Amino acid sequence: GAGVSQSPRYKVAKRGQDVALRCDPISGHVSLFWYQQALGQGPEFLTYFQNEAQLDKSGLPSDRFFAERPEGSVSTLKIQRTQQEDSAVYLCASSLVVQGVESTDTQYFGPGTRLTVL
Amino acid sequence: GNSVTQMEGPVTLSEEAFLTINCTYTATGYPSLFWYVQYPGEGLQLLLKATKADDKGSNKGFEATYRKETTSFHLEKGSVQVSDSAVYFCALTGNQFYFGTGTSLTVIP
Repeated sequence: GAGVSQSPRYKVAKRGQDVALRCDPISGHVSLFWYQQALGQGPEFLTYFQNEAQLDKSGLPSDRFFAERPEGSVSTLKIQRTQQEDSAVYLCASSLVVQGVESTDTQYFGPGTRLTVL
Repeated sequence: GNSVTQMEGPVTLSEEAFLTINCTYTATGYPSLFWYVQYPGEGLQLLLKATKADDKGSNKGFEATYRKETTSFHLEKGSVQVSDSAVYFCALTGNQFYFGTGTSLTVIP
């Protein structure tokens, strides 16, 4: 079946521009996550949705970052007034069940969007 | 809080060599532990997982055992192949996923 898809795969923005990154999770998956992966580093958590509810946004680095999942499926990560330090790969992942402290569920990752801010 | 500490790379091995990539963790509760792999140009893929202490996850010849007493989940493979060249990430669950920094493995013929 179809996996997690993300678009665009590559995005180049000038400093100060707004960008929107899209994630299509696996159909029926309840949980959706966004991560930021800097070059040579592991993914770092940004935010988590359970259906349409954003339950955790503790990883968003500033108020320029905003995520939504209005109908509980597709999600968009928006970055306003991009800065050079925002350059990274943005990963989306989904899982079938609700995430929790003792969750055993696997997260399925999309290919990521590589954002370069000039 | 929760965290994962992973062996730094890069690691270069000859084909058929034995592989160990160390991973230790700090966590509250009883998290599940995962190894993800990222092949060149591809997204993260689950390699194996273990959901409770003493469980062994295995896949494609790779193994890792959930050791609560040493808070470790080391990845091993008895005989690596060129096709195993990738970046390997250790991770644990909590209210979110916590990833290590990744270990790059290059296997040379």
